[in-house]
Amino acid sequence: GENVEQHPSTLSVQEGDSAVIKCTYSDSASNYFPWYKQELGKRPQLIIDIRSNVGEKKDQRIAVTLNKTAKHFSLHITETQPEDSAVYFCAAKYNYGGSQGNLIFGKGTKLSVKP
Amino acid sequence: SAVISQKPSRDICQRGTSLTIQCQVDSQVTMMFWYRQQPGQSLTLIATANQGSEATYESGFVIDKFPISRPNLTFSTLTVSNMSPEDSSIYLCSVVKENTEAFFGQGTRLTVV
Repeated sequence: GENVEQHPSTLSVQEGDSAVIKCTYSDSASNYFPWYKQELGKRPQLIIDIRSNVGEKKDQRIAVTLNKTAKHFSLHITETQPEDSAVYFCAAKYNYGGSQGNLIFGKGTKLSVKP
Repeated sequence: SAVISQKPSRDICQRGTSLTIQCQVDSQVTMMFWYRQQPGQSLTLIATANQGSEATYESGFVIDKFPISRPNLTFSTLTVSNMSPEDSSIYLCSVVKENTEAFFGQGTRLTVV
């Protein structure tokens, strides 16, 4: 089945700096790669996603890049702010057998933005 | 988008008992899933809740321990049976509408004592 690796597990940056989180996936048939932000005690919230037919997507300070050949994708946050502090999860859509449509998550990255 | 109501939000249960968690969506959804998130950990898929048929369980999860119902396209339940302290976790339902993004319920924080 699908396996998603995410690193780093923790990331600390100064306010205003950029943050990059990377994920790799194993199932070459996966075609959807979302990123979720989870604040303490809250549900995961989608912040950006990318489908396999594009290589990059940007939404204000957040961007995601996808390299299908290498099977990895990355989240880029520019001009980080303290409110960006949270745990970020990458995921890949799992397309095996009867489990089409569900997401397999990476282990998460705890991002701390220091004022 | 999808508005998901998950109940209860939290519970403290005695070992050996069972708890049923409900997930209600404000509109019909294609797929519903149940995840477990242990403290400080990622989300682990328990099963896919299939409307009108038995749920599809992931490796390490079995129907006897986590029976799931999905009587229609807007509702599902997950039961945690014969609970032990190791079952203490956050349980989240998730829905996908027409192959778009996944939305999550607010989660059920379960503590087994």
